[in-house]
Amino acid sequence: GENVEQHPSTLSVQEGDSAVIKCTYSDSASNYFPWYKQELGKRPQLIIDIRSNVGEKKDQRIAVTLNKTAKHFSLHITETQPEDSAVYFCAAVRPYKLSFGAGTTVTVRA
Amino acid sequence: EAGVVQSPRYKIIEKKQPVAFWCNPISGHNTLYWYRQNLGQGPELLIRYENEEAVDDSQLPKDRFSAERLKGVDSTLKIQPAELGDSAVYLCASSLAGVNTEAFFGQGTRLTVV
Repeated sequence: GENVEQHPSTLSVQEGDSAVIKCTYSDSASNYFPWYKQELGKRPQLIIDIRSNVGEKKDQRIAVTLNKTAKHFSLHITETQPEDSAVYFCAAVRPYKLSFGAGTTVTVRA
Repeated sequence: EAGVVQSPRYKIIEKKQPVAFWCNPISGHNTLYWYRQNLGQGPELLIRYENEEAVDDSQLPKDRFSAERLKGVDSTLKIQPAELGDSAVYLCASSLAGVNTEAFFGQGTRLTVV
């Protein structure tokens, strides 16, 4: 089955700085890579996704990159704000199977 | 649109007791997932339904867990008997049929087994 590894497990950044979260996956059949944000006590919500035919995607302050050859993908948050504090999960999807990483707790210091 | 609705939000039971969780997916979503999320970890798939058919239940501990999705809409997940290690948040998610479609999550049910 798919194995998704996510690093770091915790990340503390100064407000305004950038945050980078990295994930690797094992199953070459995975072709869709969503990122979810989960605030304390709330449901995971999709913030950005990337498909295997794309190398990079950007949406305002967040961007995701994908290297299919190396089987890794990353989330980049620029100009971090206090409301970015949350747990972020990467996921890899092969047809009909969604596997999550263990999560990164991001804390943005004011 | 209400989104994925789960109930109850919280449940505290004694070990060896049964417990059931309910999920109402987004209207029109054929695919329904049940995930378990332990503290500090990512969600882990328990079972996936396509309409009323359980197409992936390989991670469901079948000795004590069961699930059903009658009529291909609402779903229930049951644990009987519950063990201390079952304490977790149980998340339901739904998506449109097809590959690579966004999964929408419910608020989850936080189960505490004492």
